[in-house]
Amino acid sequence: EPEVTQTPSHQVTQMGQEVILRCVPISNHLYFYWYRQILGQKVEFLVSFYNNEISEKSEIFDDQFSVERPDGSNFTLKIRSTKLEDSAMYFCASKDSSGNTIYFGEGSWLTVV
Amino acid sequence: KNEVEQSPQNLTAQEGEFITINCSYSVGISALHWLQQHPGGGIVSLFMLSSGKKKHGRLIATINIQEKHSSLHITASHPRDSAVYICAALFSYNTDKLIFGTGTRLQVFP
Repeated sequence: EPEVTQTPSHQVTQMGQEVILRCVPISNHLYFYWYRQILGQKVEFLVSFYNNEISEKSEIFDDQFSVERPDGSNFTLKIRSTKLEDSAMYFCASKDSSGNTIYFGEGSWLTVV
Repeated sequence: KNEVEQSPQNLTAQEGEFITINCSYSVGISALHWLQQHPGGGIVSLFMLSSGKKKHGRLIATINIQEKHSSLHITASHPRDSAVYICAALFSYNTDKLIFGTGTRLQVFP
């Protein structure tokens, strides 16, 4: 079964530091996403990425956040100047052109202290 | 406003019971997903529906577009089915943004 892999699984960072969360989507997938889930809350959409550019982003995804696909395999989420309220589980997801199934990674748990 | 509501929030069952989890949404959608979130946090896609019914093993998902309602059924439930089940909707054909429900926490006891 193909899978989306995310690293790190858990990161603790000081407030104000920059964090990069990494994802390797499934190899033939074309659509990539980041979602987040604050503890005890709903999963929230952050951003979608297609054809090497952002296709849609939520109001949460402000200038503090950026995404990049630096090579043919990795998809990264950068959070600049982290705040306490950025503490959450961040999920990467991908899907192919048929769009019937979206595959999620196991998540990266970010704790900002 | 595009919203997804689920009920119940929590559900306990004895092994073997038939389970139903409900999902309703505020306005028309292009598709609805049912997902399973494991205790460790990982999310697995179960179904994507735009109409009718789908079945996979002991899981059945149905959707009624007119009533803006979907159900996930689990037949012959088992303790390994214990997880959070989430429905998430796409509210337009022009978006990839899934709007998630709050989830239903299911515990199945032996």
